[in-house]
Amino acid sequence: EVQLQQSGPELQRPGASVKLSCKASGYPFTEYYMYWVKQRPKQGLELIGRIDPEDGSTDYVEKFKNKATLTADTSSNTAYMQLSSLTSEDTATYFCARRVAAFAYWGQGALVTVSS
Amino acid sequence: DIVMTQSPTSMSISVGDRVTMNCKASQNVGSNVDWYQQKTGQSPKLLIYKASNRYTGVPDRFTGSGSGTDFTFTISNMQAEDLVVYYCMKSNSYPNTFGGGTKLELK
Repeated sequence: EVQLQQSGPELQRPGASVKLSCKASGYPFTEYYMYWVKQRPKQGLELIGRIDPEDGSTDYVEKFKNKATLTADTSSNTAYMQLSSLTSEDTATYFCARRVAAFAYWGQGALVTVSS
Repeated sequence: DIVMTQSPTSMSISVGDRVTMNCKASQNVGSNVDWYQQKTGQSPKLLIYKASNRYTGVPDRFTGSGSGTDFTFTISNMQAEDLVVYYCMKSNSYPNTFGGGTKLELK
């Protein structure tokens, strides 16, 4: 069974950084891109980017290029997303997701709250 | 990037109704549109992929259609648990882009 288990909620101060994790199981980790999606409170879904765990290559949506850094650890089948220079605009739930024909598999989401 | 415009943004619905919502792509995306359901506090759930293919285990009251730039998602015989938010998404090439969502509320 494919599972994507994300790390827990985070409360961070403005200006700080946070690193979220997404541990994959039930499939060959290096054979599928891992995607990250942002959802602000009561708002829609935004793609942040994706990583190819096989070689670590990344693609970012333009608006997140200086905000998010995606990495992957093949030894632990875990994908990571670091968000830097946090502001209130980064308060959101962040999902990891894996495509087959579509985004059939999602993590449970990790809420990041940025507040002083 | 291709923009996906979903309409309406919200609908007031009664249980048992037939509901139709739309998604318009700013460019031709072929049949590469997926539909997702999201309940409050949960991750999105895939319902329809490639415009009209029902994902495994999805009830047949959910259907999708369309190609090119215009797509439709229909729920026949609305159930109470269907009163949540639905998103379309362009899926044929990176970056995948989502519509703004349609929220179904009880009339």
